[in-house]
Amino acid sequence: KAGVTQTPRYLIKTRGQQVTLSCSPISGHRSVSWYQQTPGQGLQFLFEYFSETQRNKGNFPGRFSGRQFSNSRSEMNVSTLELGDSALYLCASSTTGDTEAFFGQGTRLTVV
Amino acid sequence: AQSVTQPDIHITVSEGASLELRCNYSYGATPYLFWYVQSPGQGLQLLLKYFSGDTLVQGIKGFEAEFKRSQSSFNLRKPSVHWSDAAEYFCAVGPTSGTYKYIFGTGTRLKVLA
Repeated sequence: KAGVTQTPRYLIKTRGQQVTLSCSPISGHRSVSWYQQTPGQGLQFLFEYFSETQRNKGNFPGRFSGRQFSNSRSEMNVSTLELGDSALYLCASSTTGDTEAFFGQGTRLTVV
Repeated sequence: AQSVTQPDIHITVSEGASLELRCNYSYGATPYLFWYVQSPGQGLQLLLKYFSGDTLVQGIKGFEAEFKRSQSSFNLRKPSVHWSDAAEYFCAVGPTSGTYKYIFGTGTRLKVLA
């Protein structure tokens, strides 16, 4: 059974640009969550989607957005990138959202 | 407010020695508890989880953890550490119905001496 797949693995962007990250969950999993990991703030919850609906959102500015498609694949978008957005972005999938989540390897975003 | 505390930022042990990583949580109800491990540049791998029942749970790679409600703790243990266990370990609570999100501790980085 394939795991959670995140693409791309690495990204370098310039301040002011926007970026889209992709996450393909484990087959059959309908819940996808996104986390930002930085050395200073640790792991912080961004948002969670289930059946194309956002059910929960973390404390991040509106520049961070996401969506989920009918096949459960999810994307997150960050607009007007700032240096502080440099982080490892992790996606996690689970069957219903309230069971254990399985994480992808993450996308390392560097903003220069 | 819900929170998870991992008091030890770094721990160094010798290969073959025993290991205990501490985790304390603050949660309004009986939480779902997890331990994850992260190798450099990688995602998180689930080591073990506690939902209910037996308070001593076994996980992968020879790890175990004990839920102590009275102490609000969920410490991770391993009787004999291997060099390959060097990594960062995260304790987490949730997700529980209605929240759908994990709250993570700040992590404990484990170094193993040969």
